[in-house]
Amino acid sequence: DTGVSQNPRHKITKRGQNVTFRCDPISEHNRLYWYRQTLGQGPEFLTYFQNEAQLEKSRLLSDRFSAERPKGSFSTLEIQRTEQGDSAMYLCASSLATSGSNEQFFGPGTRLTVL
Amino acid sequence: AQSVTQLGSHVSVSEGALVLLRCNYSSSVPPYLFWYVQYPNQGLQLLLKYTSAATLVKGINGFEAEFKKSETSFHLTKPSAHMSDAAEYFCAVSAINDMRFGAGTRLTVKP
Repeated sequence: DTGVSQNPRHKITKRGQNVTFRCDPISEHNRLYWYRQTLGQGPEFLTYFQNEAQLEKSRLLSDRFSAERPKGSFSTLEIQRTEQGDSAMYLCASSLATSGSNEQFFGPGTRLTVL
Repeated sequence: AQSVTQLGSHVSVSEGALVLLRCNYSSSVPPYLFWYVQYPNQGLQLLLKYTSAATLVKGINGFEAEFKKSETSFHLTKPSAHMSDAAEYFCAVSAINDMRFGAGTRLTVKP
C-alpha cells in the first residue's frame, strides 16, 4: 500500500501522560500536514512541513505539542501532559509542493482518548 | 482569508433519491475546492476537486459538483443515493499552506 499510514490507530491514555503518534506520508510527497478533528467538526490545521522544515504552526498548537520530521520522510507528533481536551482524531496528510492545487492525501488517523 | 461554509449539518434522503450537499466558499483569489468523504473512524477520501479546468467536476462513486463563481458555491450532487453513500462529507478550500474545511454534512440514506 503506497498511501499515507498512521500509527497507532487508537490510543487511550490517562491525563498527564505523554503520547507520540507517527505518520508515514506517500514516499514522493515533500509536504506533510497534521490536523486535529473533534467530534462533529471538520479537520483543523495544526502544522505542516516541507521536507524536514516545519514552516507553519497553528495557534491551536500549544507548547505541549511538538512535531518533527527529522529526515523529511516520516513525522511524529508528541503531546506532553495530555489533557481531556486533547481527545480527538489526529489526521496526517501529504502532498507535493509542485501540486498547484495543494491536493492532500489523508491517512486513516489516530484516535486519542484521554481519560 | 479563505473559508468554506457547509449549509446543513445533516441531510437525510431515501435510497434512489437525489443527493444535494451545499457548500459556499469565500476566497480573495481563484480557489481550489475539494469534496472529501469520511466513513466512521477513517481518514478523508477525496471525492473530487475543482482546479479551474472545468466548472462541472465529476468525481468518484457517481458524485459531481458545479463551481458557480457568481454564487460562490460548489455544491455536491449525486442523481441517485445508495446506502453505501451514508457518511460525513466535507467541503474544503486550499489555502496557501493548508486546507480549510467546512464543519461537515452527515448524509443519511433511508431504505
